[in-house]
Parts: sequence; C-alpha cells; structure tokens
Amino acid sequence: EAGVAQSPRYKIIEKRQSVAFWCNPISGHATLYWYQQILGQGPKLLIQFQNNGVVDDSQLPKDRFSAERLKGVDSTLKIQPAKLEDSAVYLCASSLGGQGNFAAFFGQGTRLTVV
Amino acid sequence: GDSVTQMEGPVTLSEEAFLTINCTYTATGYPSLFWYVQYPGEGLQLLLKATKADDKGSNKGFEATYRKETTSFHLEKGSVQVSDSAVYFCAPQGGNTPLVFGKGTRLSVIA
Repeated sequence: EAGVAQSPRYKIIEKRQSVAFWCNPISGHATLYWYQQILGQGPKLLIQFQNNGVVDDSQLPKDRFSAERLKGVDSTLKIQPAKLEDSAVYLCASSLGGQGNFAAFFGQGTRLTVV
Repeated sequence: GDSVTQMEGPVTLSEEAFLTINCTYTATGYPSLFWYVQYPGEGLQLLLKATKADDKGSNKGFEATYRKETTSFHLEKGSVQVSDSAVYFCAPQGGNTPLVFGKGTRLSVIA
C-alpha cells in the first residue's frame, strides 16, 4: 500500500516569496492533516480536513497560510508571503477517520528554509 | 484542550539497557493514545497505540499500557539497540480532535 506522498522534499526561498506544498494521502483516507514541525519541537497542527471540508484551522495563520483539499483527495498548503520564522518541516498526514481509534500516517515532510 | 507532557531528553543509554520514557496527558473524554517515532532524516512513524484503559500496545519490542487512573502511557523496552536511536513522541487523540504532540524525547543508544 502506498504511503502519504509529499512534494517537494526540500525548498529554499527568500522571505516575502510564496511557496506551495502538495500532499497525496493514502487512498480512501477521509481525514487529512497538515502539521508544522519547527526544529527541536513536536509537530503543531495547522489544519485538519474531513473529505474536502475544514474541521479545524484554529492554529493556521490565515493572513499568510492557506490550504485546500479539492475533491477530498490531494491537498495543497500555501504560504504567501513567507517569513523567516516559517522555516520548518511541513508534515502531511492522513487517516481513515478523525476519530482517535484511527491512526494517522505521515508523509516524509517538506523541509522549508526561508532566507 | 488536549496536552501531553513527556520526560525531558536527551536520554542516552548503552545497548541492551532498559528504557522508560514517561508520558502523561490531559484530554477531554476518553482519548486514544499513540507513540510515534522519528528516525533521523525520516518522517513520523506510528510505533504503537492503545484505545482503551488497561490496553497494552506493543511493537518492535516496545510496550506501553494505557493507565486511565494516572493518565499515563509510559513507553518501555527491555533491551534497546543502537537502531532505536530516534525521537519519540507521545500523542493523545480524543474524540474527533487531532493528534496533540509534545516536544518529544530524543533517545541515543551507544554501543
């Protein structure tokens, strides 16, 4: 079974530029998450989708971050404009459902460096 | 909201030593509990889980028991190997809320 696919693996941009990350979840997984992991810290949830609807985006900095999940499958996360403090690994995860008895499976992540 | 407290790292052990990484949580309702592991340069991987009180999750020689009375889910392994060197994350997930991660505990095992 294919896992969660993310691209690109690495990205370096200058501050104030824009960047987009792509995620393809495991087939059949209704729930999709985007997490931000700053070096030395645990992952922090940015947004949770159930199919193509947003369940939780309370920690998403909406002035610069946006995410969508068209057709309830693939998802993109965009940052515009980027700041130095956005340097982090962006993790996408998916699960069969949002309930706790369904484990989340993570992709390899996209490492973003803002210079 | 949900939260988790893990023991501070880094933890350095010799090969074949006994490992315990403490984890306590606060969560609404009756959460499921997970341990995830992050090997160097890799993404998060599910290590084990438990979904109800007194359940024991186990995988790759690691074990953790869901203790509702003490809201704990300590990770243990009887004999660690160098290949176990990684960062370990405890994460509760209650109801329809997402996983909540702590800072993680870095484990280094030396030969």
